[in-house]
Amino acid sequence: GAVVSQHPSWVICKSGTSVKIECRSLDFQATTMFWYRQFPKQSLMLMATSNEGSKATYEQGVEKDKFLINHASLTLSTLTVTSAHPEDSSFYICSARDTGGSNIQYFGAGTRLSVL
Amino acid sequence: LAKTTQPISMDSYEGQEVNITCSHNNIATNDYITWYQQFPSQGPRFIIQGYKTKVTNEVASLFIPADRKSSTLSLPRVSLSDTAVYYCLVGDGPFGNEKLTFGTGTRLTIIP
Repeated sequence: GAVVSQHPSWVICKSGTSVKIECRSLDFQATTMFWYRQFPKQSLMLMATSNEGSKATYEQGVEKDKFLINHASLTLSTLTVTSAHPEDSSFYICSARDTGGSNIQYFGAGTRLSVL
Repeated sequence: LAKTTQPISMDSYEGQEVNITCSHNNIATNDYITWYQQFPSQGPRFIIQGYKTKVTNEVASLFIPADRKSSTLSLPRVSLSDTAVYYCLVGDGPFGNEKLTFGTGTRLTIIP
């Protein structure tokens, strides 16, 4: 299947700092990418839909100024957690839809964020 | 998006065939059924997708009855490495741009 690369896989930061997470589709173009959040023992929760060249669409209850999403190219979307706080500590996962092929969503390996 | 219902957990012994059933009573005409596998601290991995009848690939089979209100993921001869959470999702498959909503999933534990 298609490959989605997510970086970094693990990050620790101090409270109040910002963290950027990258999501790349390596062997296909993705006009649409998605960002999820997952707490321990829980399912994935969709945060936002990232569209290449346009503004992201956020799910209800997700602060767009807190979680900045940029989808500047057909293979890269970034999520920036601004002014991170301990309650933002979670597992963040991106996915990319292979719109030029199967249209299946492929997922990155995830990023474990720990805010001290 | 149609909601899905799956068993919360299942146990099985190594070498057996495992069948996980998912209910999706409100599935729409253009919805496809997709299954993902997730290991701890990893992103979900695509397993299989289908619309009706039976689909088979190198890792699993997907059985979908004529009314499409349920589907069954079949894993042949499971091993310990198949211990994971399995998610059933319905959406507009190869032709749409619908977002995926994950349900609770089924936590499958393989016993030696």
